[in-house]
Amino acid sequence: DTGVSQDPRHKITKRGQNVTFRCDPISEHNRLYWYRQTLGQGPEFLTYFQNEAQLEKSRLLSDRFSAERPKGSFSTLEIQRTEQGDSAMYLCASSFVGAGGVSPGANVLTFGAGSRLTVL
Amino acid sequence: AQKVTQAQTEISVVEKEDVTLDCVYETRDTTYYLFWYKQPPSGELVFLIRRNSFDEQNEISGRYSWNFQKSTSSFNFTITASQVVDSAVYFCALSEASDSWGKFQFGAGTQVVVTP
Repeated sequence: DTGVSQDPRHKITKRGQNVTFRCDPISEHNRLYWYRQTLGQGPEFLTYFQNEAQLEKSRLLSDRFSAERPKGSFSTLEIQRTEQGDSAMYLCASSFVGAGGVSPGANVLTFGAGSRLTVL
Repeated sequence: AQKVTQAQTEISVVEKEDVTLDCVYETRDTTYYLFWYKQPPSGELVFLIRRNSFDEQNEISGRYSWNFQKSTSSFNFTITASQVVDSAVYFCALSEASDSWGKFQFGAGTQVVVTP
């Protein structure tokens, strides 16, 4: 397994355009997370999935943001009608959490390299 | 409200000096995990250590050690004998049981600069 993969690594778009980012998690991991990171800040939680179920999405920044994980494998994060304030690094991470909760080695986020968005 | 606070914005040291990074967290849970992650200039966040709320034993792993004190809600991290490759941003993070271990909450990070 090569870790968490994100595509594209860089995206430059004009304001008002839609963009989509893809994340391929570690195959054994059942959880997938999306974070946003702006310059000089820590990662900011957006949403996460357990298998195909989106368990938390209240932190998605606006209704322009949506995420899917249709078959419990890869995920996409879409931003519609982009604004300059959406410029950031979008990070994907995955982890494994067992049915009984957290076991040794579990619940450790493995991050991808991120997708940098620049909105002109 | 910010649940994880890293008051130090940047720390600069000369190689071989020790570096201690402070982290203060806030939670009402009795069961939670604390983490340290490293983000080198390449940008990818790398897991360093994890500690659960029931284990306050402080440990050393190679050049890394940590000091977990529930009484002061602190989870400090030390790099012993720093090296230039330790230059990075270090993040403290919290994961809570009440949240089904969902929303990892990160601090703002501390930039460590190690000069030769």
